[in-house]
Amino acid sequence: DAGVIQSPRHEVTEMGQEVTLRCKPISGHDYLFWYRQTMMRGLELLIYFNNNVPIDDSGMPEDRFSAKMPNASFSTLKIQPSEPRDSAVYFCASSLGQAHFFGPGTRLTVL
Amino acid sequence: AQSVTQPDIHITVSEGASLELRCNYSYGATPYLFWYVQSPGQGLQLLLKYFSGDTLVQGIKGFEAEFKRSQSSFNLRKPSVHWSDAAEYFCAVGDEGGGADGLTFGKGTHLIIQP
Repeated sequence: DAGVIQSPRHEVTEMGQEVTLRCKPISGHDYLFWYRQTMMRGLELLIYFNNNVPIDDSGMPEDRFSAKMPNASFSTLKIQPSEPRDSAVYFCASSLGQAHFFGPGTRLTVL
Repeated sequence: AQSVTQPDIHITVSEGASLELRCNYSYGATPYLFWYVQSPGQGLQLLLKYFSGDTLVQGIKGFEAEFKRSQSSFNLRKPSVHWSDAAEYFCAVGDEGGGADGLTFGKGTHLIIQP
């Protein structure tokens, strides 16, 4: 198995632009999680899905953030408009309900 | 709400020496506990997990961890470290679902290996 796949690996954008991060979970996993990692706050859960349905988005920091999972093999996290404080590494993880398997992350820099 | 504390931000160990990384958790019920390792620029890799049963769990790369309910601890150990073990280590706790509702992570411990 290829593991969790994320794209892009790096994204540099300017404040105000829309950013879309993509994730392909491990085939057969029915949970998908989006985490954000910063030096100040560590790893934070943003949102998670079960069987493509969003279950808890209480970690999404603002309405500028949105996530979708149109099918079992694809999810997106969108930030619109982006701000410098959104700069972080964004991880996608999938699971069968217990241990998470993480992707390599997307390092986002908002100038 | 659950929480995880990793009291040591940095730890320096000589190659070949033993290692113990500390983790304390706060959770009302029986926790599901995990240790992950993150190398620079990489995602998190699962080292080991504790769900129930034997309180001493073995993981990959020669790591082990011991669950001590009385101390609310889940410390990670390795008898002899290698230079390739230099990385960031994260302890995490999941709820009764074992992580189905997401994991709560500690802030991490940065492990430095001296030659």
